[in-house]
Formats: sequence, structure tokens, C-alpha cells
Amino acid sequence: DQQVKQNSPSLSVQEGRISILNCDYTNSMFDYFLWYKKYPAEGPTFLISISSIKDKNEDGRFTVFLNKSAKHLSLHIVPSQPGDSAVYFCAASANTGGFKTIFGAGTRLFVKA
Amino acid sequence: NAGVTQTPKFQVLKTGQSMTLQCAQDMNHNSMYWYRQDPGMGLRLIYYSASEGTTDKGEVPNGYNVSRLNKREFSLRLESAAPSQTSVYFCASSARGLGETQYFGPGTRLLVL
Repeated sequence: DQQVKQNSPSLSVQEGRISILNCDYTNSMFDYFLWYKKYPAEGPTFLISISSIKDKNEDGRFTVFLNKSAKHLSLHIVPSQPGDSAVYFCAASANTGGFKTIFGAGTRLFVKA
Repeated sequence: NAGVTQTPKFQVLKTGQSMTLQCAQDMNHNSMYWYRQDPGMGLRLIYYSASEGTTDKGEVPNGYNVSRLNKREFSLRLESAAPSQTSVYFCASSARGLGETQYFGPGTRLLVL
């Protein structure tokens, strides 16, 4: 039972265009969402997050959108750069006692020069 | 400031052998975590330690034990390795606790034959 789903294993985008990575979740108790980026042979690094009280958070080229009614979030990267090629993990958590951060399976993004 | 360090980087074990994966962080974080990453499964929490002196099971604890040696160090032990434990193991830490941004080590790639 995957509570956090990233249905696209991979995505290929041309340099300069927009990359949109999607994530769906099933548990309405999740109230904090994060995106992590992972390069080969390295650990994941934090990219951007959003609280459930917001529907958008922006940081430079990266924007995360949250649609609570649809239990869906997306990460937009504009413009995409070859250095953005990596695996992106969506994660969700609930700050209630004993709840853990749940990670999606990841989406591999290829940005072609 | 090294962040989160893990040793070893790579290990090959035979079925039934034991080993300990070491993790240390120098960010004065209270919470530490062990995850495993398998293809198509994302990151799954094995054990975590919310603070020094405490440990709790995560999603997939069977076959593992942990020790929070002090605030800096959190080790993961496989008492009798099995091929199903072939995976990439990541240690992470966060300032306060669950649901927060986590900082990951570079990973340990374990192959159990």
C-alpha cells in the first residue's frame, strides 16, 4: 500500500523547457510535503517543501504546487538545465505523534542539452 | 563540516555473516534515521532515533538492530545477512524530529550473496 505515489518512473525534457514532476498521496493526515533530489552515488538532498496551509511555494527555478482536494502535488522546474538531471523523490509527513516521513519511488529526470 | 558520513561505502557479505554500518553527523542534530533504497520502492525507513537514548522501529525493521551510541553516531547492525538485504542504505539526520528536512549521507551499497 503505497501512501505516496510517483507514477512516472522517468521524464525527458529539453533544456530550457519546463519539467513537471507529479506526486499523489492517499493519507489526508499528511500536512508537510518535501521534494528531494538525488544524483547517482550520492545521498538525497533537500530541494523544496510546502506546508498543507499553502498551495504554492517558490524557490528560484523550483515551484511546488499542492492541491489538497486532489491529494496531489507537483514540482515545476523552469527553465530546466542539464544539471537538473537526477532522481526526484516526493515525501510526505504528518507532525502527529509517531508518524514517519513516507517517500515515493522517485522519478528520474533527463534534461537534454 | 562533513554533514552526515557513512562507512563503509560498499560491502559484500555472504549469507549469514554479520556487519555494522556506521553513521555519524556533525550538525548537532537530535534525530537520526536509517533507510534502505530498492529499485521501484523509494526510501523505506528501517529504524529511527528521535533523540539520544531512544530508538524506534520504522517500516521495515526485521533483520536489523540499531544503536544510538551518542548524539553524533547511529549504527545499523545486520546480525545474519540475507540476500533480501541487498540494497543501498542511507543514514539521515534532522534537527528536531520526524517530518522535518532530513540531511542524508552518501549511502552504503550492500551486496549479500
